[in-house]
This record gives sequence, C-alpha cells and structure tokens, in this order.
Amino acid sequence: DIQVTQSPSFLSASVGDRVTITCRASQSISTYLNWYQQRPGNAPKLLVYVASSLQSGVPSRFSGSGSGTDFILTIDSLQPEDFATYYCQQTHSPPRTFGQGTKLEIK
Amino acid sequence: EVQLVESGGGLVKPGGSLRLSCAASGFTFTNAWMSWVRQAPGKGLEWVGRIKSKTDGGTTDYAAPVKGRFSISRDDSKNTLYMEMISLTTDDTATYYCATETATLKVVGGDYWGQGILVTVSS
Repeated sequence: DIQVTQSPSFLSASVGDRVTITCRASQSISTYLNWYQQRPGNAPKLLVYVASSLQSGVPSRFSGSGSGTDFILTIDSLQPEDFATYYCQQTHSPPRTFGQGTKLEIK
Repeated sequence: EVQLVESGGGLVKPGGSLRLSCAASGFTFTNAWMSWVRQAPGKGLEWVGRIKSKTDGGTTDYAAPVKGRFSISRDDSKNTLYMEMISLTTDDTATYYCATETATLKVVGGDYWGQGILVTVSS
C-alpha cells in the first residue's frame, strides 16, 4: 500500500500570511493527489485534484503543486475562513490513503 | 440540488453487524464511482473502500482493516449505495461518509459528500 506522510501536523498563522503544507508519498504517484479542507462538524471539501487543478468554486489563493512523491498545498493571504484541517489523499491506487492532516490555527 | 444522505448508523455491540445506506440525488449516480470514508472521533480521515460504476466493471476495493468484514454494493435503480459491516469492533466507531470519487469528477460534475453518519460500537 502507498503511504502518505503529511507535514506539519499543526500550523499556526495569521490572517494575510502565506502557508504551505507538504505531502510525501512512499512511492511515485505521478500527479494522483487530492487536497481537502475540513471544518469542524462538516464533511471534507475538495480543493485541488490531480495535484494542481483547482476545483470549481475554490478561491484562487489556494494552489497545489508537485509530482512523483512530493506535493505542496499553498494558501496565499490567509482568510479567517481558511482556519481548518487540511488533508492530502493519494488516488494512484487503492487503498486511497489520506495523510494524517494539518490543523491550521489562528496565531 | 445534489444530495447524499446516509442512514443506518447507530449503536451496535462488538461482534455485531450494521448496514449503511447512502441515497443519492441530483447527479447521474450510475456514472459515479462511490466510496466510503470514515473518521474516528477526534481523528483523521480514513478511506474505507469504493465501488466502481457498472460500466467500469462495478468492482470493489477495501482498506486492509475492513477487508473481509465490510462489503460495498450499489443499486443503480434506487440510486443507493450500501455498506454491509460485520464483526464490528470498537475500532470501527466513527462517522462514516459516503462520497463520489474524483476518478469520476468530470463525469458526475463535482465532488460530493454526505453529511456523515455515526456508528458506535460499544458494549
């Protein structure tokens, strides 16, 4: 099975900051990687698919990059509604494992 | 309006069984690959398994912790996804979400999730 390691687990930042979250796969997954945002009590929301394609309706301050084993989610100019937990998920092959999550908190 | 509505959750004793259902509307369910994702209280997301569309073979895949105990099926005539769960343990306690898989993102027109349903395994 492909393992996915996400870092950091916790991130403290201020409104207006630029933050990056990384995800590393245990083997090459090409660009088969999704990024999700989850707010407390809500279902996950797809932000980015196939590593860098922004899902419809997602603000352009979110962007994804990477291929192979290393991936990055970048959020430019953090807004108050961005404070949530973020997960990556490899979709190269089943089981479609998620990263452990990154909780983004207000500094 | 797209909706995925899970039902069938609740409290069950260790060793017991439960069947979850997920009723879909507002998109072409027959074209969608569907998955179940769970989240234990205070923990991260865990992919449980998925079923492809019938046109893509209708095959299933499962995560190791549930393989042999959980079984995913679909009834396209009812636009409904199911997951039969047997031999439940306390480790299966979680909120279970049904969701479309991004493999069929373009075909079904979006990424859709249910609101989640709680399964509690406790004596």
